[in-house]
Amino acid sequence: RKEVEQDPGPFNVPEGATVAFNCTYSNSASQSFFWYRQDCRKEPKLLMSVYSSGNEDGRFTAQLNRASQYISLLIRDSKLSDSATYLCVVNIGYSTLTFGKGTMLLVSP
Amino acid sequence: DGGITQSPKYLFRKEGQNVTLSCEQNLNHDAMYWYRQDPGQGLRLIYYSQIVNDFQKGDIAEGYSVSREKKESFPLTVTSAQKNPTAFYLCASRRGRENEQFFGPGTRLTVL
Repeated sequence: RKEVEQDPGPFNVPEGATVAFNCTYSNSASQSFFWYRQDCRKEPKLLMSVYSSGNEDGRFTAQLNRASQYISLLIRDSKLSDSATYLCVVNIGYSTLTFGKGTMLLVSP
Repeated sequence: DGGITQSPKYLFRKEGQNVTLSCEQNLNHDAMYWYRQDPGQGLRLIYYSQIVNDFQKGDIAEGYSVSREKKESFPLTVTSAQKNPTAFYLCASRRGRENEQFFGPGTRLTVL
């Protein structure tokens, strides 16, 4: 079983839509969780950390379900500029991160 | 401006040649990392360093070497022993015991 699994997509949505991505992780000892955004041919950029209680940053909401070992990202009111690949990232110790392969989002006018 | 710089942005080399990729940060971060990304693949860890003069192998260290003589710098050498070196190479850094990593703009290496 892969350590961090994501649906590669692409998810095609119109502007203004709400879209959700899920990610599952295999190691129950995982301690920290993140969503990164990566634009085409660019470096990944931290979108948000994911806390046990769930957290929200503007149009973005992240949730963690430790019992089922999955993380979700919800994007409301999608913008064209949200088109990117979203990477689910998990940390076991504090020194290294494990990256999923990413979910591609395409927002159309 | 504080940040992570990588140079060059694009690099071409002939098969059998060693090449060194630069990574510099002025964020005063303790830990630095090198990743490789291939099309359709996730990031894979090559090497990382948590303090000066110390580094550890990641998941795919074979054919690569690093040094960490200064806190600000973590160069990666891709040797001729690396079988498939063509890839997008990303350097990252992390502050203290915080878990988030921040990335440089990357170097695209193509072996001809």
